[in-house]
Amino acid sequence: DAGVIQSPRHEVTEMGQEVTLRCKPISGHNSLFWYRQTMMRGLELLIYFNNNVPIDDSGMPEDRFSAKMPNASFSTLKIQPSEPRDSAVYFCASSTGQVTGNTIYFGEGSWLTVV
Amino acid sequence: AQKVTQAQTEISVVEKEDVTLDCVYETRDTTYYLFWYKQPPSGELVFLIRRNSFDEQNEISGRYSWNFQKSTSSFNFTITASQVVDSAVYFCALSGYKTSYDKVIFGPGTSLSVIP
Repeated sequence: DAGVIQSPRHEVTEMGQEVTLRCKPISGHNSLFWYRQTMMRGLELLIYFNNNVPIDDSGMPEDRFSAKMPNASFSTLKIQPSEPRDSAVYFCASSTGQVTGNTIYFGEGSWLTVV
Repeated sequence: AQKVTQAQTEISVVEKEDVTLDCVYETRDTTYYLFWYKQPPSGELVFLIRRNSFDEQNEISGRYSWNFQKSTSSFNFTITASQVVDSAVYFCALSGYKTSYDKVIFGPGTSLSVIP
């Protein structure tokens, strides 16, 4: 079975450029999460969706960050303009979204470096 | 507010030693989920176990075992006869149980090094 698929796996970009990270959740999963991992702050939840609707975006750092989920099988996280402090690993994860079994499964991550 | 504490930042053990990773959580919910995830050097996050709060039975899976104690709000993870492949960062996590919208909150992680 395919897991959560993220792209790109690695990206190096210059400050000021737009970055778009993509995610395909596990088929049949109704909840999708974007996390950011840094040495300083650990794993932070940025935003999560349930049935394609954003439920909580309180973790989104600032207006430069935006996320969309146009359908059940695709989500994007966009940073515009990017800054060096955005350098991190960005994980997408999904779950069935059921109360009785909210285990989340992660993709392999997108390693972003902003220079 | 929910919070997960993993007081051990880094642990080093010699291969074949047993090691316990501590996890203490805070929540006002009466029912909740607890999780452990493993992050090996390759970077992916691997789900290990989920435990719900009304099941305090300890669980064993091969060399892994988990000790859930609601009275002390702890969910500790023990690796028996550690191996080099166990070297990784281990995260404890907590989720509510009320709705399907409950967030999963992660602890800061414990970095385990198993030395041959």
